[in-house]
Amino acid sequence: EAGVTQSPTHLIKTRGQQATLRCSPISGHTSVYWYQQALGLGLQFLLWYDEGEERNRGNFPPRFSGRQFPNYSSELNVNALELEDSALYLCASSLEGSNTGELFFGEGSRLTVL
Amino acid sequence: AQSVTQLGSHVSVSEGALVLLRCNYSSSVPPYLFWYVQYPNQGLQLLLKYISAATLVKGINGFEAEFKKSETSFHLTKPSAHMSDAAEYFCAVSDPGYSTLTFGKGTMLLVSP
Repeated sequence: EAGVTQSPTHLIKTRGQQATLRCSPISGHTSVYWYQQALGLGLQFLLWYDEGEERNRGNFPPRFSGRQFPNYSSELNVNALELEDSALYLCASSLEGSNTGELFFGEGSRLTVL
Repeated sequence: AQSVTQLGSHVSVSEGALVLLRCNYSSSVPPYLFWYVQYPNQGLQLLLKYISAATLVKGINGFEAEFKKSETSFHLTKPSAHMSDAAEYFCAVSDPGYSTLTFGKGTMLLVSP
C-alpha cells in the first residue's frame, strides 16, 4: 500500500514568488493535514481538509491557502513568498479526525526562499 | 487551547542506557496524547498514543509512556537505548473533539556507542 506522497521533494523560489506543493493521501483516507516545520519551531499546524472542505486553519496569514480535490489529494499554495517561509512542509492523512486516529505523514517538501 | 512543552531540545545517552524524554501538556479537558518519531530526511511515524483507560502505554521499538494527570505529563521511556533510536521525537496533544494535533518543538535523541 502506497503511503502519503508529496511533491516536489525540493523547491527553490525567490521572495515574492508563489509556491505550490502537492500531497496524495493514503488510499481510503479522506482527511489531509498540512504542517510547517521550520528550524527550531517544531511543527506548526497550517490547514486541515476533509471531504473537500477546509475544517480548520492554523495561525498563518491568508497567503497560505490550499484545497482538496475530489480524489482527496491536496494542494498547498503560498503566495508572496517571504524568507521566513523557508521550511519543510509536511502533509499527513488519516481516516478520521486526528484526535482519535493516527496521522500518517509524507516525507515532506522542502521549500527554500532566496 | 492546548499546548505541549518538551524539556530539552537535545538528550544524549549511551547505547544501553535508559532513555527518558519529557513532555508536559496543557489542556482544559482530558487530552489525547501522542509521541511521534522523525528519522533523518523522513516524515513522522507514530510511536504510541494515549486515548483513554490504561495510563501506561506501550508502543513500537520498545518505547512506552505513562500518562500522569496530576503532573500533566506524558514522558517517553525506553529501558535500553539502541543506536537506531537516534532521531527527533515529538510529543503531541489533542482535545477530544478538536481534530487537530498540537506538537511540541521536539527533542533530538543522540545515542553514543
